[in-house]
Amino acid sequence: DAGVIQSPRHEVTEMGQEVTLRCKPISGHDYLFWYRQTMMRGLELLIYFNNNVPIDDSGMPEDRFSAKMPNASFSTLKIQPSEPRDSAVYFCASSLEPVIYGYTFGSGTRLTVV
Amino acid sequence: SQKIEQNSEALNIQEGKTATLTCNYTNYSPAYLQWYRQDPGRGPVFLLLIRENEKEKRKERLKVTFDTTLKQSLFHITASQPADSATYLCALDSNYQLIWGAGTKLIIKP
Repeated sequence: DAGVIQSPRHEVTEMGQEVTLRCKPISGHDYLFWYRQTMMRGLELLIYFNNNVPIDDSGMPEDRFSAKMPNASFSTLKIQPSEPRDSAVYFCASSLEPVIYGYTFGSGTRLTVV
Repeated sequence: SQKIEQNSEALNIQEGKTATLTCNYTNYSPAYLQWYRQDPGRGPVFLLLIRENEKEKRKERLKVTFDTTLKQSLFHITASQPADSATYLCALDSNYQLIWGAGTKLIIKP
C-alpha cells in the first residue's frame, strides 16, 4: 500500500484565492482526519470522517473552510477565500480503528498564502 | 482546560544510552495515549499506543509507561542510535480526537 497520499505537496497562493487540498486514505480505513500544524499551535484537528460521514467539524476555524469525502478513497479540504494566517502544513490521516492502530499520516501539504 | 506538556527543549543523548522523554497532562483522564515520531518535512509516524489499564508497553527498543495517578507517560528508547533523532509527540484521546503535545526534539550524538 502506498500509504496516505496527499496533493499537492506545496501550494503557494495569493490571499483571496481558493485552495483545494486532496487526500487519498489507505484502502479499507474507515476513519479520515484533517489536521493543521503550525509552530505556534502544533497539531490541531480540523475535522474527521467515519465511513465518509463528517462526525466532528468543531475544529474547522471558520466558514471559509470546508471538507468533503464523496467516497471512501478521496477527501478534499477547501479554503475560500484564503488568508495569510491559513499558512500551515495540512495533514490528512486515516485509520482502521484509532483506538487500536493509531493513525497513518500523509506527508502533508505546505500551504503558503501571500 | 486540558493541557499536555512535553519538554520544549531539545534532548541531547549520547549514542548507545537510553533516551527518556516525558509527557505530562492535566485536567484530563484519557483512556489511551499514543506516541508518534515526526521527521522534518514529514507527517507523524505512529509508534505505540498504551491504554489506561496498561502500565507498560514495549516494541523492540521502545518502551512506554503510563501512570494515571501521576498523569504522566514516559517514552524510552534503549541503545539509542543517531537514526532515532527526530521529534517525538505524545497524544491523548478524547472521543476519537487526539490532543497533541508540542513534541520533544531528540538528538542522538555519535
